[in-house]
Amino acid sequence: GAGVSQTPSNKVTEKGKYVELRCDPISGHTALYWYRQSLGQGPEFLIYFQGTGAADDSGLPNDRFFAVRPEGSVSTLKIQRTERGDSAVYLCASSRERGGVDTQYFGPGTRLTVL
Amino acid sequence: SQQGEEDPQALSIQEGENATMNCSYKTSINNLQWYRQNSGRGLVHLILIRSNEREKHSGRLRVTLDTSKKSSSLLITASRAADTASYFCATRAYSGAGSYQLTFGKGTKLSVIP
Repeated sequence: GAGVSQTPSNKVTEKGKYVELRCDPISGHTALYWYRQSLGQGPEFLIYFQGTGAADDSGLPNDRFFAVRPEGSVSTLKIQRTERGDSAVYLCASSRERGGVDTQYFGPGTRLTVL
Repeated sequence: SQQGEEDPQALSIQEGENATMNCSYKTSINNLQWYRQNSGRGLVHLILIRSNEREKHSGRLRVTLDTSKKSSSLLITASRAADTASYFCATRAYSGAGSYQLTFGKGTKLSVIP
């Protein structure tokens, strides 16, 4: 079946603008994660959804970042008043989530560039 | 914050040689996983080893885990040019609120020369 998809693949925006990044998880996966990867670094956790609810948002860097998953499937990561430091690849992953041993399947990521 | 540290940061070998990458981490874990990433984009899951396991094999991959030293190693045998990629270890620990987030290291960049 289809894997995790993310759109857009690339997004260039200007400092101060608002952006939305979309993630389509694998069908039937209840757990969804967002990560951010800066150049030369490993991915860093942002937020975790179990179904429709954000069960853990401890990785969000500040209140400019927000994510939703209204129907328990597609998720949107929203960044307000973007800053140059927000430039990174934003990765989404989904899993069936059974007791923490399920594999997380990653999407190809959205490369965000803030000018 | 990054939990793990991979060593070396970069590794260059000839095709057919074995490649060994190491990972150290800081806190107790539920399991440890290795991922591969090509061209800085999507990560591909390679292998998972649980905290009560010491060694695991999958094809040309061999992973070891030493929880007393909080370290793991990934061995790729008979490397191929197609193995060229960045390799990340990721630890999984229960972080509360039902979250099993992965905590990644900075990765090892492997180059396999044909």
